[in-house]
Amino acid sequence: SQQGEEDPQALSIQEGENATMNCSYKTSINNLQWYRQNSGRGLVHLILIRSNEREKHSGRLRVTLDTSKKSSSLLITASRAADTASYFCTGSSSNTGKLIFGQGTTLQVKP
Amino acid sequence: NAGVTQTPKFQVLKTGQSMTLQCAQDMNHEYMSWYRQDPGMGLRLIHYSVGAGITDQGEVPNGYNVSRSTTEDFPLRLLSAAPSQTSVYFCASSYRTSGRWELFFGEGSRLTVL
Repeated sequence: SQQGEEDPQALSIQEGENATMNCSYKTSINNLQWYRQNSGRGLVHLILIRSNEREKHSGRLRVTLDTSKKSSSLLITASRAADTASYFCTGSSSNTGKLIFGQGTTLQVKP
Repeated sequence: NAGVTQTPKFQVLKTGQSMTLQCAQDMNHEYMSWYRQDPGMGLRLIHYSVGAGITDQGEVPNGYNVSRSTTEDFPLRLLSAAPSQTSVYFCASSYRTSGRWELFFGEGSRLTVL
């Protein structure tokens, strides 16, 4: 499986603004997932995008995948203070496990 | 369903002591894994298992042992605790079929080694 490297490491925005964070990976993947972690808690799955998909939506989340650039982005629209959390991506290229995460993007949404 | 249950939630050890972190899931997931997370860091994979009787090493396996005798349980053993193993440990599980790849995480076990 492929390590996800998130960028930026930290992001601070005002409530109502959009938040965009990026993920890069190194080799081919079958799917890429985004997770969210509230302080002191376990990660929670947000969304999965397959390698044959270019864009996917879920509520206020929009994920894009560019396999030619080996990158993905997560857009959170109309952010809320409750979106304050760390966000991680991970890519998988096989069914053998070994999902590896990067250091994540820490998002702070100010009320 | 309880999901993924980790015990204990908090533990303090002295250097050289051994202990086992327990992880159980009731979702009949084939895949289970252990991660550690240090302050301000992402998660690093310690060991994982794709089914009962099968385990493999992750990124940082040294100092840890695992076994998978049942589908439900995946304990993580620290053989001789060291201060460098002070961390928050997360267990996760998932299906490995039908494209259902998402990981379900436990709430974490906070370990301090003095």
